[in-house]
Order: sequence, then structure tokens, then C-alpha cells
Amino acid sequence: QQQVKQSPQSLIVQKGGISIINCAYENTAFDYFPWYQQFPGKGPALLIAIRPDVSEKKEGRFTISFNKSAKQFSLHIMDSQPGDSATYFCAASKRQGGKLIFGQGTELSVKP
Amino acid sequence: DVKVTQSSRYLVKRTGEKVFLECVQDMDHENMFWYRQDPGLGLRLIYFSYDVKMKEKGDIPEGYSVSREKKERFSLILESASTNQTSMYLCASASGGVGSEAFFGQGTRLTVV
Repeated sequence: QQQVKQSPQSLIVQKGGISIINCAYENTAFDYFPWYQQFPGKGPALLIAIRPDVSEKKEGRFTISFNKSAKQFSLHIMDSQPGDSATYFCAASKRQGGKLIFGQGTELSVKP
Repeated sequence: DVKVTQSSRYLVKRTGEKVFLECVQDMDHENMFWYRQDPGLGLRLIYFSYDVKMKEKGDIPEGYSVSREKKERFSLILESASTNQTSMYLCASASGGVGSEAFFGQGTRLTVV
């Protein structure tokens, strides 16, 4: 039973384009939705996170859009750069600092 | 800088061996987690601990156990390694409450032959 579903599994974007990764969750008790970025040979690192009391959060080129009624959230990477090439994971938790339920991951490749 | 250190980057073990994966964090975090990462499956929670000597099963605990004798150290134990436990293992730690985030180690790539 996959509580957090992520798509697409892989994504190729041209430099300067917009990368969009989508996630859907089932458990309405989730209260914290982070996105993690992982480079090859490294552990995941927190990129940006949102609570369900807001519909959007922006940090630089990275934006989370959150739709509570649809139980969906997405990551938008504006002006994608080759350095953004990595694997991205969405996650959900009932509280910050608690156990995280991860999506399946998206391998992003940004072509120069 | 928060540091979560896993004892090995790569391990090769034989089927049936008992395997210990060690994780140490230096931020006095209460919460520690073990995940395994497999392509197409994301990260799946094996065990977690919210306090010393406390442990709770995650989503895939079968074939694993854990130990947390000290706050900074969380060990994952494969009692009798099997080939289907070949995977990347990731340890994470977090303080509790609002504003906290989980920090991950660099991972241990375990191959069971």
C-alpha cells in the first residue's frame, strides 16, 4: 500500500525549462510535506517543505503547490539548470521530525 | 553542520551472516530512523526510535532489528542476511516538533551474496 504516490518516475527537461513533479497522498492526518533532493552517492537533503495551511510556498526557483481538497502537491523548478539533475522525493508526515512516508522518486535530468 | 555518519559506504556479506549497520548523529536529536532505498520504490521505513531504548516498527521490519542504547547511536541488525536485503540503507535523525527536519547519512550500499 503506497500512501504517497509520485510521478513521473523520470523527467528530462531542457535548460531553462520548468520541471514539474507531482505527488498524491491518502492519509488526511498528514500535516507536513517536504521535498528531498538526492545527488548520486549522497543521502537525501531537504529542499523545501510545506504545511497544509498554505497553498503555495516559494524558495528561489523552487515552488511547492498544495491542493488539500485533492490531496495532491507538486514541486515546480523554474529555469531548470543542469545542476538540478538529481533524484527528487516527495514525502509526508503527521508531524515535523516524525517518520516520513516517501514517494517513489523522480529522476530529473536537465539537458544543456 | 549536522552530521549523520554511517559506519560503512559499501558492504559485501554472505547469505546467513549477521550484519550490523551503525549510525551516529552529533546533534543530540531525539528521533532516529532507518530506511532502505530501492529503485522505483523510494525510501521505505524499516524501524524508528523516538528515545533511547525505544523502538518502533516501520513499514518493512521483517528480517531486521534495531538497537538504541545511546541517544546518538542507532544500529540496524540483519539477523541472517538474505539476497533480497541487498539495498541502499539510509539512516536519518531529527529533533521533534515544529521547525525540525530530518538529516540523512550518506548511505550504506549492502550487497548480500
